[in-house]
Amino acid sequence: DTEVTQTPKHLVMGMTNKKSLKCEQHMGHRAMYWYKQKAKKPPELMFVYSYEKLSINESVPSRFSPECPNSSLLNLHLHALQPEDSALYLCASSLGTGGVQETQYFGPGTRLLVL
Amino acid sequence: AQKITQTQPGMFVQEKEAVTLDCTYDTSDPSYGLFWYKQPSSGEMIFLIYQGSYDQQNATEGRYSLNFQKARKSANLVISASQLGDSAMYFCAMRGFISSGSARQLTFGSGTQLTVLP
Repeated sequence: DTEVTQTPKHLVMGMTNKKSLKCEQHMGHRAMYWYKQKAKKPPELMFVYSYEKLSINESVPSRFSPECPNSSLLNLHLHALQPEDSALYLCASSLGTGGVQETQYFGPGTRLLVL
Repeated sequence: AQKITQTQPGMFVQEKEAVTLDCTYDTSDPSYGLFWYKQPSSGEMIFLIYQGSYDQQNATEGRYSLNFQKARKSANLVISASQLGDSAMYFCAMRGFISSGSARQLTFGSGTQLTVLP
């Protein structure tokens, strides 16, 4: 089973709203990732959690706040977003280091529209 | 620094024919991994195939094979017997340097949009 789930599938929010994206995996993976993807572009890494600790923060604005409550769950809290933040948000997880274990498995994504 | 280059923004192939998607890379790390992902219009990134830099043989997974030429720094994806469902964006990616713990970054190419014609 290589399933990563994400909710919601679609989200429309105003610039003053607070919302959260949720990601879950039950594969025993120790690393989890948030990516942002604009149309026709490759994914851009936002955050990486390794063993439930934030290990990479790619200079993402503070209106995006990640949280890893446990090894299976990853959240992305959104507050005061801008229209340019509209994108597909992808979550991924990987087992560990070394060869094919580093393969990242992605969820179906959340399509976010900020009005 | 690492770099992945996909020079074909769009490709067309006739159904049931084979197609090769190009990928070249640049890295100073002697140990690296290369990945191919498929992204249909629905958005999900689907892992297709992996090649390690020390693997002696080219990777294969069903209709997908990776033509790995280390000296030329290329890792082309070959799809045999194309199907209509293969129409999607295809990304080549390389494992990044160790960040910490079990996490590694991926460096992605710009992607190739493949269209399979009936």
